[in-house]
Amino acid sequence: NAGVTQTPKFRVLKTGQSMTLLCAQDMNHEYMYWYRQDPGMGLRLIHYSVGEGTTAKGEVPDGYNVSRLKKQNFLLGLESAAPSQTSVYFCASSFSTTGNWEQYFGPGTRLTVT
Amino acid sequence: RKEVEQDPGPFNVPEGATVAFNCTYSNSASQSFFWYRQDCRKEPKLLMSVYSSGNEDGRFTAQLNRASQYISLLIRDSKLSDSATYLCVVNMLTGGFKTIFGAGTRLFVKA
Repeated sequence: NAGVTQTPKFRVLKTGQSMTLLCAQDMNHEYMYWYRQDPGMGLRLIHYSVGEGTTAKGEVPDGYNVSRLKKQNFLLGLESAAPSQTSVYFCASSFSTTGNWEQYFGPGTRLTVT
Repeated sequence: RKEVEQDPGPFNVPEGATVAFNCTYSNSASQSFFWYRQDCRKEPKLLMSVYSSGNEDGRFTAQLNRASQYISLLIRDSKLSDSATYLCVVNMLTGGFKTIFGAGTRLFVKA
């Protein structure tokens, strides 16, 4: 099993450009998440999904959109990149169990917006 | 006040030392608790879940105090390989799903 994979690993964008980050998991997890991690701050949830075809906003959703057309994939889109979106983006997934929700993370995407 | 707060660190300890991390959470509706480990420029990985009765995994012991709303992680006999950032994570159901990560505490174990 590959677990959680993310593409691309690195990207540099210019302000105003758009891009899509792809997350894939092969563990048959129901829940998937997108986080961003900035220096000195904890991971912050951007959007999440509790199942195929459903998405919900997290703590910092502005400037991002997501889609979950297939259970194994969760896409994060930036329609018009801004320097404030320079960050490391992590995707994660978990089973939809009550109580404990251990999350499995992908390796991250380092995005720089100039 | 942050919903999850951790010791600011960094902690610099010699090999063999015992080190303790504390984490406080503000929402009493918090349901499940974890410690994750994150190596430099890598993704977070689950270290251990934290149960009300306390739990141990080798050199690592986690404890939860619901009354005082804090969790702790104790590392005994520190190894060089324990050097990493330790993240406190709290899950809660308050009108919807919510996971809050602490900012992390950096640990350096020196020879």
